[in-house]
Parts: sequence; structure tokens; C-alpha cells
Amino acid sequence: NAGVTQTPKFQVLKTGQSMTLQCAQDMNHNSMYWYRQDPGMGLRLIYYSASEGTTDKGEVPNGYNVSRLNKREFSLRLESAAPSQTSVYFCASSPWIISGANVLTFGAGSRLTVL
Amino acid sequence: SQQGEEDPQALSIQEGENATMNCSYKTSINNLQWYRQNSGRGLVHLILIRSNEREKHSGRLRVTLDTSKKSSSLLITASRAADTASYFCATSSLSNFGNEKLTFGTGTRLTIIP
Repeated sequence: NAGVTQTPKFQVLKTGQSMTLQCAQDMNHNSMYWYRQDPGMGLRLIYYSASEGTTDKGEVPNGYNVSRLNKREFSLRLESAAPSQTSVYFCASSPWIISGANVLTFGAGSRLTVL
Repeated sequence: SQQGEEDPQALSIQEGENATMNCSYKTSINNLQWYRQNSGRGLVHLILIRSNEREKHSGRLRVTLDTSKKSSSLLITASRAADTASYFCATSSLSNFGNEKLTFGTGTRLTIIP
């Protein structure tokens, strides 16, 4: 059982380049999330998808776009990367965002460096 | 600003001792969760305590919640080297649309000295 799989694990970009982080879960979860983790900042929510076909902004959505491709997959796109987007990105999923006990399962993370 | 603030930021103890870390938050919550993160890995859920519960146990973990003080504590008893990790509290609140919003704190870095 793979859980939540993120690709790539590492990526180096130049300012202005674009890229997409991929995420897939095999737990039949309805809800999926993208977080970024920066030193001293904890995890901050970028975007989430409560269910297939819906996406909503989180705390820090500027500079990012997302696509909920199907129930399994949720991608995060940086259209024009900036050094401020250097971070570790985590994808997570949960059974259902309105469950009242929303426990997240995280992927291993994608470390992105923007030069 | 972060909803949950962990204290201390870093903690080093001898193997076999108990480790206690605290989480304070600002607004009313639906539940509070604790997660562990090993170096270079994703977060792993440890335990969830609902707002109407005061204490919960899971193996060597004990979590307390004091909603009047807006605080929670995580106690790890008889610590092991494998407990070395960062620990995060996450507070859950409901949005106007009924979605459950999880907000993570900045974490406590726990080091167990063999």
C-alpha cells in the first residue's frame, strides 16, 4: 500500500521557469491538500481539494495553481517560479474534509530550490 | 500567525526519560491532533483529541487538552532513540462551509540521547 506518492523528490529551477509537482493517493480518500514547509514557519496550506472536481485556496495560494485530475491525483503548478518559493512541499490526503475528525496522510515531500 | 504554538522549540533528554511538549492555540477548536516528522520525511499522525475530551492515551503517548486555557500537552513516556523527531500540533476548526481546517504549529524538535 503506497499511501501518498509525490514526484519529483528534488527539483532545482531557475527564476521564471515553470514546473508541476505530482501527487497521487491510493487510499480512496476524497480530500487532498498541498502544504509548504519553511524553517520556523511550520506547515502552511497552499490549496486543497475537498472532493473530486473542487479546489479552494488555502493560506498562501499566490504563485500557485492546482488541478484535481481525478479522485487519486492532485497536482501543484508553479507558473513562474520565484526564489521565495524555495521550500519543501508536502501533499496530503484525508478521507473527508467534513468528517469532524480529519486525519491527514502525508507524502514524503518534494524539495524545491529556485535559483 | 500560527494557530498552534509549540513549546519548547527544542528538547533534549536521556533515553528512558519522559518528554513533555506543549501546544497553545488562540481560537476555539473542533479537535487537536499531534503529528511526528522524522528528518527528511513527511508527517505521520499520532493521536487526535476532540474538544470534549480531556485526556487520551495511545501506547506510550498521553495527550491532554484544556480548552479553558487553550492548551494541549503531549507526553512520551520511557523515551527511545527512535522517538527523535519533530512533533507538531494541529488545531482543527470548522469553516463557514463546514470544511475542517487544520492549522499546524511550528513544532518541537525532540532529541533522545542514547
